[in-house]
Amino acid sequence: GQSLEQPSEVTAVEGAIVQINCTYQTSGFYGLSWYQQHDGGAPTFLSYNALDGLEETGRFSSFLSRSDSYGYLLLQELQMKDSASYFCAFRSNRDDKIIFGKGTRLHILP
Amino acid sequence: EAQVTQNPRYLITVTGKKLTVTCSQNMNHEYMSWYRQDPGLGLRQIYYSMNVEVTDKGDVPEGYKVSRKEKRNFPLILESPSPNQTSLYFCASSTNVAQETQYFGPGTRLLVL
Repeated sequence: GQSLEQPSEVTAVEGAIVQINCTYQTSGFYGLSWYQQHDGGAPTFLSYNALDGLEETGRFSSFLSRSDSYGYLLLQELQMKDSASYFCAFRSNRDDKIIFGKGTRLHILP
Repeated sequence: EAQVTQNPRYLITVTGKKLTVTCSQNMNHEYMSWYRQDPGLGLRQIYYSMNVEVTDKGDVPEGYKVSRKEKRNFPLILESPSPNQTSLYFCASSTNVAQETQYFGPGTRLLVL
């Protein structure tokens, strides 16, 4: 089947760096996406990796290794407003379904 | 303003009473999806549509119907709602290119008694 695994919770300190990992299982996909969701809100797009390597967008970076079926989201200079849930996801290139991981809740300590 | 709208935002209903949740996008996107979000289960795709008159089942389609008669609209229909369909529902749209940035609606919180 197709699935993504990510830790359910991660805790970090304000100003620090945190990495949220995502391992996946699929027969083929276009790329790995990351979304952020604050409590009570809708998911919003953060980053996308079509190819292996690192993509940087401001304080957020995302990495993909297709050979390891693994990716991660890196958040730098953490701010309290980064407290949210983060989801990895992909769109299957076999049937165009979109599959999400169950999400990682990021707690930030002052 | 580019957006995805959903209505209603909140709905309380009773078992068996047919309901429709509307979804509309103004970005001329081809791909549209419905998701349900339940605690600890993340977002699960119910149905998706890659263009007008083309719809496909996602991972949890049982008990739901959709239609795509116009590009901008993608309503979700619950013919006979049951309590296990109590959930938070999101509609989303994106282009059909590989780098699909999905734009989500604000969500519809449904309670089925």
